[in-house]
Amino acid sequence: GENVEQHPSTLSVQEGDSAVIKCTYSDSASNYFPWYKQELGKGPQLIIDIRSNVGEKKDQRIAVTLNKTAKHFSLHITETQPEDSAVYFCAASEGTYKYIFGTGTRLKVLA
Amino acid sequence: GAVVSQHPSRVICKSGTSVKIECRSLDFQATTMFWYRQFPKKSLMLMATSNEGSKATYEQGVEKDKFLINHASLTLSTLTVTSAHPEDSSFYICSASGSSGRSYEQYFGPGTRLTVT
Repeated sequence: GENVEQHPSTLSVQEGDSAVIKCTYSDSASNYFPWYKQELGKGPQLIIDIRSNVGEKKDQRIAVTLNKTAKHFSLHITETQPEDSAVYFCAASEGTYKYIFGTGTRLKVLA
Repeated sequence: GAVVSQHPSRVICKSGTSVKIECRSLDFQATTMFWYRQFPKKSLMLMATSNEGSKATYEQGVEKDKFLINHASLTLSTLTVTSAHPEDSSFYICSASGSSGRSYEQYFGPGTRLTVT
């Protein structure tokens, strides 16, 4: 079955700097890759996603890149702000609605 | 759009009792709902997938007689933890996906923190 690895587990950046979180997946049939932000005591919120027919997608300060050949995808947050501090999860899905989540990255943006 | 609610947000129950958690899609019809469990500082673990009107599909290792799931309508799914024990204490999160548009997207509820004493 699908296995998703996520790195790093924790990440501290200075406010204004960029943050990059990377995930790798094992199942070449996976074709949908969402990223979620989870704040303490709350459910995950979708922040950006990408399908396998696209290499890159951007939404303001957030971007996601996908390398199908290498089976990895990354989340890029530019000009980080303290409110970006949260746990971020990547996930992979092969279209049957079932998501396999990564292990999470705790991002701390230092003011 | 695509709002999912959960009730209650927190619940404390005594060991041996049962507790029901509700998951509702407020502004769309959810043909499929998912139940996840999350331990502190850990990732989300899928427990089961349910389609409206049919029996839930449980992940390996999840006891279906202990975690009863009902998806009786297109906007409501319930998870009942039966004969709860302290080890069932966890954060339970539901998600829902619809039948139209971007049907592969899952919209998550805010979670329910269960504490069994």
